[in-house]
Amino acid sequence: DSGVTQTPKHLITATGQRVTLRCSPRSGDLSVYWYQQSLDQGLQFLIQYYNGEERAKGNILERFSAQQFPDLHSELNLSSLELGDSALYFCASSVGGGGSTDTQYFGPGTRLTVL
Amino acid sequence: EDQVTQSPEALRLQEGESSSLNCSYTVSGLRGLFWYRQDPGKGPEFLFTLYSAGEEKEKERLKATLTKKESFLHITAPKPEDSATYLCAVRHDYKLSFGAGTTVTVRA
Repeated sequence: DSGVTQTPKHLITATGQRVTLRCSPRSGDLSVYWYQQSLDQGLQFLIQYYNGEERAKGNILERFSAQQFPDLHSELNLSSLELGDSALYFCASSVGGGGSTDTQYFGPGTRLTVL
Repeated sequence: EDQVTQSPEALRLQEGESSSLNCSYTVSGLRGLFWYRQDPGKGPEFLFTLYSAGEEKEKERLKATLTKKESFLHITAPKPEDSATYLCAVRHDYKLSFGAGTTVTVRA
């Protein structure tokens, strides 16, 4: 158990809908990262927040957005869902801002199925 | 663009049969190479971080090494519980770029 928690574990929804994925980092960690893992794309970095502020952005679609709250938990919002958004979504956390000695610890993931 | 290539894609081993996994990378300004283990449907589990060529790290039956262009994960006398997908990632700026992984199956 990494100490990172994610809810829900599974999510099934329809195209065009909007969903929210939640992540609580390990105690003491200030950074939260979001990743998408699909069969054809592998593990892809989406976005990082550090102490409430956006720190780095990857290949995140405009339909997706995230935020980190004062208690450091984070939410990833996915809207206008398409079939291709079906994937495993992972949250990771680290102590620092992603610097050279920072290690990312991953949560158990949320499996999103868009029908 | 950062590139991380892992080989082979899949590896089937007999229990006790040692082998190595390869991770080659092209990135300017490497700030760490990471190995993770991932079981089906689970989140990646951190194994090692390597920072400079020549560095080695060990954990039980696993040993990771790093050169200027690639890293190896050696599995010595594997057991069935070592069956998993092993992911390599490089850090550039703040993000990790992952390879596609090597799926290792160890038969008893």
